[in-house]
Amino acid sequence: EIVLTQSPGTLSLSPGERATLSCRASQSVSSSYLAWYQQKPGQAPRLLIYGASSRATGIPDRFSGSGSGTDFTLTISRLEPEDFAVYYCQQYGSSPPNTFGGGTKVEIK
Amino acid sequence: QVQLQESGPGLVKPSETLSLTCAVSGYSISSGYYWGWIRQPPGKGLEWIGSIYHSGSTYYNPSLKSRVTISVDTSKNQFSLKLSSVTAADTAVYYCARHLGLAVAEYWGQGTLVTVSS
Repeated sequence: EIVLTQSPGTLSLSPGERATLSCRASQSVSSSYLAWYQQKPGQAPRLLIYGASSRATGIPDRFSGSGSGTDFTLTISRLEPEDFAVYYCQQYGSSPPNTFGGGTKVEIK
Repeated sequence: QVQLQESGPGLVKPSETLSLTCAVSGYSISSGYYWGWIRQPPGKGLEWIGSIYHSGSTYYNPSLKSRVTISVDTSKNQFSLKLSSVTAADTAVYYCARHLGLAVAEYWGQGTLVTVSS
């Protein structure tokens, strides 16, 4: 089973700043089958990115994904107030099971 | 717009079977896609449970496979989850979702909290 480690655990930033979130896999994720989700308190997660870099329908272009192999990054170019949330990565190249990372919380500084 | 809605008991006794249904609107299950279940214990991260294609092909998390059954009812445009022999560790918010491919959850239900307690 591929283990995903997200860092940092918490990221404290101000609106307008750039956020860089990391997701590292315990072994190579085949075909860049890596997705990112955003979750706000009391809500279901929302798909942001799949295939490591493809934005899901309706996702603003300030969200971008990159990486391959074992190292992946989610970048939010300029944080908007609604972007403060928890972010999860998920690998689905080795499936089942697909696995999720432990999450990174982006909080207001 | 695809919409999913989970339903089922919010409280299940230990050793019993958890049963949830996901009603789908805005899209016919028989038209395609995988449909699945994901859970999240209170205050913790996400765990993929399994998914099913409209034809009935299923894929389960190996850690839960011995206790999980996912089925689909295309006539009612819904799919279901059964998890047997539950313990307190199965207490979680359970989400149903439409998947891109086998495992990427594109559309989500709002989630339903199931508590395992006597």
